[in-house]
Amino acid sequence: QVQLVESGGGVIQPGRSVRLSCAASGFTFSSYGMHWVRQAPGKGLEWVAVISYDGGTKFYEDSVKGRFTISRDNSKNTLYLQINSLRPDDTAIFYCAKGETYGRELPLDYWGRGTLVTVSS
Amino acid sequence: QSVLTQPPSVSAAPGQKVTISCSGSSSNIGNNYVSWYQHLPGTAPKLLIFDNNKRPSGIPARFSGSKSGTSATLGITGLQTGDEADYYCGTWDSSLSANVFGGGTKLTVL
Repeated sequence: QVQLVESGGGVIQPGRSVRLSCAASGFTFSSYGMHWVRQAPGKGLEWVAVISYDGGTKFYEDSVKGRFTISRDNSKNTLYLQINSLRPDDTAIFYCAKGETYGRELPLDYWGRGTLVTVSS
Repeated sequence: QSVLTQPPSVSAAPGQKVTISCSGSSSNIGNNYVSWYQHLPGTAPKLLIFDNNKRPSGIPARFSGSKSGTSATLGITGLQTGDEADYYCGTWDSSLSANVFGGGTKLTVL
């Protein structure tokens, strides 16, 4: 069965960086686009970024461009999200999700349970 | 403020039917497929509807989707208390070159 397990969250000081990971299993990871979605406290789901099956194409939500970098290692079945210059408003649960296709679009047919990033001094 | 507009909340009694709307524009809903997600706090979101009106295996027929022009609708019949959750629509936005979600709708089953 498909499993997506996020890790790397925690309490991080403003201005620091963090790399989130998502370990995938139960499907051919290298054949699907992969996404990050976040949910800030009390807010709705916000799509963050997508990377195509081969890592060749990436798209980002406007507000995160330049600070967030999505990447993947198909040899390790792992998705990453690097976040630099963390700000308090980056505080959120970050979900990893599998795209139904190899490319950029929705739908997202499997999701992880998320990892909480709290930006606070 | 999301480019896809959903009502903040809807409510109905057990056994009744409810619809949740999702309004967009030609750059998103008007020219791309819509999907719908159910999210209970503390859990992984679940795909309910994809390609406007298709259900993944395991999703009951009580859940349905439709699209007309630049709007989409999620329908839920035979409401159960277990359906209480937040519901989100989503699609690709060609102008933004990004996927977008609606702001979410909280369903209360009275």
